[in-house]
Amino acid sequence: SQTIHQWPATLVQPVGSPLSLECTVEGTSNPNLYWYRQAAGRGLQLLFYSVGIGQISSEVPQNLSASRPQDRQFILSSKKLLLSDSGFYLCAWSVQISYEQYFGPGTRLTVT
Amino acid sequence: KQEVTQIPAALSVPEGENLVLNCSFTDSAIYNLQWFRQDPGKGLTSLLLIQSSQREQTSGRLNASLDKSSGRSTLYIAASQPGDSATYLCAVRTSGTYKYIFGTGTRLKVLA
Repeated sequence: SQTIHQWPATLVQPVGSPLSLECTVEGTSNPNLYWYRQAAGRGLQLLFYSVGIGQISSEVPQNLSASRPQDRQFILSSKKLLLSDSGFYLCAWSVQISYEQYFGPGTRLTVT
Repeated sequence: KQEVTQIPAALSVPEGENLVLNCSFTDSAIYNLQWFRQDPGKGLTSLLLIQSSQREQTSGRLNASLDKSSGRSTLYIAASQPGDSATYLCAVRTSGTYKYIFGTGTRLKVLA
């Protein structure tokens, strides 16, 4: 069966510090991968998606970036965090047949 | 540009009631529509996926319908239970894209 992992579960970082969030998927190959952010009381905002290794599409032109170094690994990064980067970050994957999306457990990021 | 709206934003019902959650979208050229459940502080759990060629999907006490021409989907929950308390989100994938657009959700509370 397929499993999606995200870590860390919780993160507290000072403003201006770097960020690296990792997401890995097991039990499937060539998935589409997604990064979302959910701010308090708001809906899910799509940040990045990838349909293959090295292919990244950006939806939010801010100080975040994403990379896909391996087929089932998706990384969200920032060189310098802002207060507005605080939120709940969710990774998701979908199969390329039904395109049903499955979500990871999320990372709660607080920038202080 | 696809926009997804969910009404009501919050709903409180006594245990045992049948209820309907609504999801509206502005662009009827969709590939599929997916309903999710989110518990506080957790990731999203997929409930039902409806492909554009389908009219409805059922899983246990849940039934989701899709009317593309009117841009609407409904999630019907039969015989609600306190364990159904959560936020319910719908997401639409527009044809020709890999992106999913989410509604802001309906927060459901089922009272024992």
